[in-house]
Amino acid sequence: HSALTQPASVSGSPGQSITISCIGTSSDVGLYHSVSWYRQHPGKVPQLILYDVTQRPSGISNRFSGSKSGSTASLTISGLQAEDEADYSCCALAFDGTYIFGTGTKVTVL
Amino acid sequence: EVQLVESGGGLVQPGGSLRLSCSASGFTFSYYSMHWVRQAPGKGLEYVAGISPDADRRLYADSVKGRFSISRDNLNSIQYLQMSSLRPDDTAVYYCVKDPRISYFDYWGQGILVTVSS
Repeated sequence: HSALTQPASVSGSPGQSITISCIGTSSDVGLYHSVSWYRQHPGKVPQLILYDVTQRPSGISNRFSGSKSGSTASLTISGLQAEDEADYSCCALAFDGTYIFGTGTKVTVL
Repeated sequence: EVQLVESGGGLVQPGGSLRLSCSASGFTFSYYSMHWVRQAPGKGLEYVAGISPDADRRLYADSVKGRFSISRDNLNSIQYLQMSSLRPDDTAVYYCVKDPRISYFDYWGQGILVTVSS
């Protein structure tokens, strides 16, 4: 399986909104509603921020939202804050039961 | 509180073997699928392997198939990753992760570093 495609970097000013795309295929992103997103601050453990495309775990800000169209999923961060600066990775359940991660996106708050 | 604690990492020579363990607590271990995810230095996350609650289904990434073996001990709430024929590109931090319902990973261990080098 090839990694899902994400932009290497995305940046925005505080208060702005940014969107990170996650491009897969009909055998993963496009197959199920099982797309999740993880945030990882430098040197830290990845943290789940969205699951099932749009669902937020308890404790995750509603500034994070997700969507999916066909084989492309997206993560939008609204009202960008300095603390949002981190690496973000998408992940999808594939047709064979394994998971595929995205290439990862570094978010920079200008 | 859910806790996942990895152990067994370290330095190993190319072609060598290593067994990682993940001790789980704070939830009913036998109810959930468990997985291993790795991250090479400066790289992205990569799925490695997964095992169903009763171990009747085991899944592997193509990159480790035939070299790695996942297993679990539900009595003691431990999952394992037996790694053999290790290569330098297996060098990574290995995370133990919990899967609440075959969809995503809700809890991650702190990770354990495996270095394959001569």
